[in-house]
Amino acid sequence: DIQMTQSPSPLSASVGDRVTINCRASQTISTSLNWYQQKPGKAPKLLIYAASSLQSGVPSRFGGSGSGTDFALTISSLQPEDFATYYCQHSYSHPLSFGGGTKVEVK
Amino acid sequence: QVQLVQSGAEEKKPGASVKVSCKASGYTFIDYYIHWVRQAPGQGLEWMGRINSNSGGRDYVQKFHGRITMTRDTSISTAYMELSSLRYDDTAVYYCARETNTWLDYWGQGTLVTVSS
Repeated sequence: DIQMTQSPSPLSASVGDRVTINCRASQTISTSLNWYQQKPGKAPKLLIYAASSLQSGVPSRFGGSGSGTDFALTISSLQPEDFATYYCQHSYSHPLSFGGGTKVEVK
Repeated sequence: QVQLVQSGAEEKKPGASVKVSCKASGYTFIDYYIHWVRQAPGQGLEWMGRINSNSGGRDYVQKFHGRITMTRDTSISTAYMELSSLRYDDTAVYYCARETNTWLDYWGQGTLVTVSS
């Protein structure tokens, strides 16, 4: 089974900061990597699919990069509504799995 | 618009079973897989498996084999997840989600299942 490891956690940041969250797969997964945002009491929301494609309706300040085993989610200028927990998830093979999550909190 | 609406919260005793429903609307139900993901209190997301809404074919995570059953009723565009022999550590919010290609693009609102004596 493929294990997903996220860092850092938590991540302390301020509004306007450029923020990067990292995700590493235990084996190569090509670009089969997706990112989700979750706010307390809510369902996860798809932000990025296939490593770097922006889901419709998601602000362009969100970006994804990487391939193979190392991936990153970048928020170019953190907004107040971006304080949340972010999860990576591989879709390379079954079973699917998620990273442990990165909580972006106020510095 | 695409919507997945799940059934309400459940409280069950250890050893019992729970069946959670997920009603889809706004798209052709049989064209997409439905996945189930759970989240224990204060914890991360755990993938449980998926069902092919057309054929009914299923993929389950090994740890749930023997306890989990995913079904669907295409006549009412609804998927179901039944978990049996409930344990205290099955207490979690259970989500259904639609798969597009290989990503989960729409999610239900979640169903809290509490296992308590």
